[in-house]
Parts: sequence; structure tokens; C-alpha cells
Amino acid sequence: DAGITQSPRHKVTETGTPVTLRCHQTENHRYMYWYRQDPGHGLRLIHYSYGVKDTDKGEVSDGYSVSRSKTEDFLLTLESATSSQTSVYFCAIGPTSSYEQYFGPGTRLTVT
Amino acid sequence: AQTVTQSQPEMSVQEAETVTLSCTYDTSENNYYLFWYKQPPSRQMILVIRQEAYKQQNATENRFSVNFQKAAKSFSLKISDSQLGDTAMYFCAFRDPSGGGADGLTFGKGTHLIIQP
Repeated sequence: DAGITQSPRHKVTETGTPVTLRCHQTENHRYMYWYRQDPGHGLRLIHYSYGVKDTDKGEVSDGYSVSRSKTEDFLLTLESATSSQTSVYFCAIGPTSSYEQYFGPGTRLTVT
Repeated sequence: AQTVTQSQPEMSVQEAETVTLSCTYDTSENNYYLFWYKQPPSRQMILVIRQEAYKQQNATENRFSVNFQKAAKSFSLKISDSQLGDTAMYFCAFRDPSGGGADGLTFGKGTHLIIQP
């Protein structure tokens, strides 16, 4: 298994509070991704990074920001959490030479 | 933008049977990659199989194989001799490499496969 960890694994927070999710890899991959998974939608890309301090928006980036100060860490921040951001969040790394991505274990976030 | 469609929200088969999960996609690209991921109740996303569009030969991994029809833009997954541990959500995913690897995967909405004992 690829060395990817996410923290926290579960979090409950209140509307309006800031939240930061962390993804850590030990594979030294250049590319890192954040997805959210919601029932009926599969996984959708939030943001991605193609190197230290190099990030870009994905399909559903509104309300989220990211930062990558080291190759191994990719942070996802919800500046002011809303109930619509209740979801399961996955970090992924890649690509390998064959372009697949490897996923972390996910973080279940509940915004009340 | 690419789209991926999985038309079977849920399927149920008996253990040891063969089952086929459907996936179609829409793209104007000629070179791309397709994947099937498995998500068991543990929530972990597990890569099952990968297909490069420029390869005509269908990919196979043990009991898992694909039927890749490029002209029809179809990418189905066949599971032979199904086992109880195959019970999971299965996601079809598309990757366009023209962005140099920076872009993410485009996923279908998933098929919930249930293997009955």
C-alpha cells in the first residue's frame, strides 16, 4: 500500500468554524489531490498540487483552500465550514508512470 | 470536459457467478487511461485494474478483466468466480494525461455490487 495518511479520520464541527485536514505521504510523489465523496456523486476533485507551493482548483473548489509547503504534506482548509461541506474527504497521490492514483483512508467530516 | 457514466446503481449476484459492471465515457481525446476502483465497507479506495487507451489488448488481473471498446467508449469490468469479499462499491474512472499528470481523475457515480452467499 502507498504510504498515505490522513488526519483526523473523523471530525464533527459547527457551522462557521475553520477546519483543516491534513494529508501526509511518504512516497515522495510530486502530485497530490483532494477529493470529496458524496452519495450519488462519486468522487469529485476539489484541489490539486503539482509541486511545493504549486496548486490549482478542481471541479468543486468553492469554499476550500489548500497549501503545500513540503512535498509530503498537503493541507485542505475550510475557512468557514457549512453543512454542505459534510462529506468524506480523500487525499490521493500520483501519478505513477501509468497514471493511476493512490488514495488515503479518508476523513469523515460532519458540519452541524 | 470528460464524463463517466455507470448506469447500474446496484447489482446483486450469487457467490461464484460471473458479473459484469458497465461504464461508458465521453471524451474527444485519443490517448487516455481508464481505471476501476473498489471501495469496500472500510471506505478504502483500492485500484482494481487499469487500461491504456492505446493498447488494444484488454487488461486482466486474476479474476478481474475488462472489455474495452474504444470506438463505443465503453469500459466494462467482469468479475469471474465472484467472492463474498467482492462486495463493494465499484467506481469507473477516466484520466486524460494531456495535462502532464496534474489533473485529477473523473469518476462515475459508482455501482454497489452485492455478492450473496
